[in-house]
Amino acid sequence: EVQLVQSGAEVKKPGESLKISCQGSGYSFTTYWIGWVRQMPGKGLEWMGSIYPGDSRIRYGPSLQGQVTISGDKSINTAYLQWSSLKASDSAMYYCARQGETSDAFNIWGQGTMVTVSS
Amino acid sequence: DIVMTQSPDSLAVSLGERATINCKSSQSILYSSNNKNYLAWYQQKPGQPPKLLIYWASTRESGVPDRVSGSGSGTDFTLTISSLQAEDAAVYYCQQYYTTPRTFGQGTKLEIK
Repeated sequence: EVQLVQSGAEVKKPGESLKISCQGSGYSFTTYWIGWVRQMPGKGLEWMGSIYPGDSRIRYGPSLQGQVTISGDKSINTAYLQWSSLKASDSAMYYCARQGETSDAFNIWGQGTMVTVSS
Repeated sequence: DIVMTQSPDSLAVSLGERATINCKSSQSILYSSNNKNYLAWYQQKPGQPPKLLIYWASTRESGVPDRVSGSGSGTDFTLTISSLQAEDAAVYYCQQYYTTPRTFGQGTKLEIK
């Protein structure tokens, strides 16, 4: 079964760092782009950026570039999203999603990682 | 950036009736070299990740019932759900993958009357 499994919910304080993960299985991890999508509470979907695990090419959304870092480790089929200094406004659900075999639409989604940043 | 605008923001439709959701892109997402529209539709239910319904504007993802259809080209697109069932209550999003940044519409909440 093709799936993406994300790391568990996190509760952090402002200023702390965080790295969440997304592990792919059931397919060739290095040959599909994986994107990160943010969903703030009660809001819509926002693409943050994507990584191609085969060669670590990364594209960032303009509003989030510099605020987060996307990375990957193809040896363990895992993509990451990290923050060096969290803000309360980073509180959101974060999804990873894989692009499809026949289009660049996201056809496989992780279950989501809830990040709560509160003092 | 390509701005995706959906209408309406919400709608309520009776069981068995048809629901229509529109999506407009701020520029054409039709790639002339392959004549494909780089448009996807997703369904999201509470507490769940989005689910891909339609890609290339009109191609159903495997397992999606044929009462769900997508149409349109260029800048104007439509998602139609016919014979509405209770399980169709959800928020629906369009998304362009013509270029980066990938952008989503704001979402349309579909309620069942």
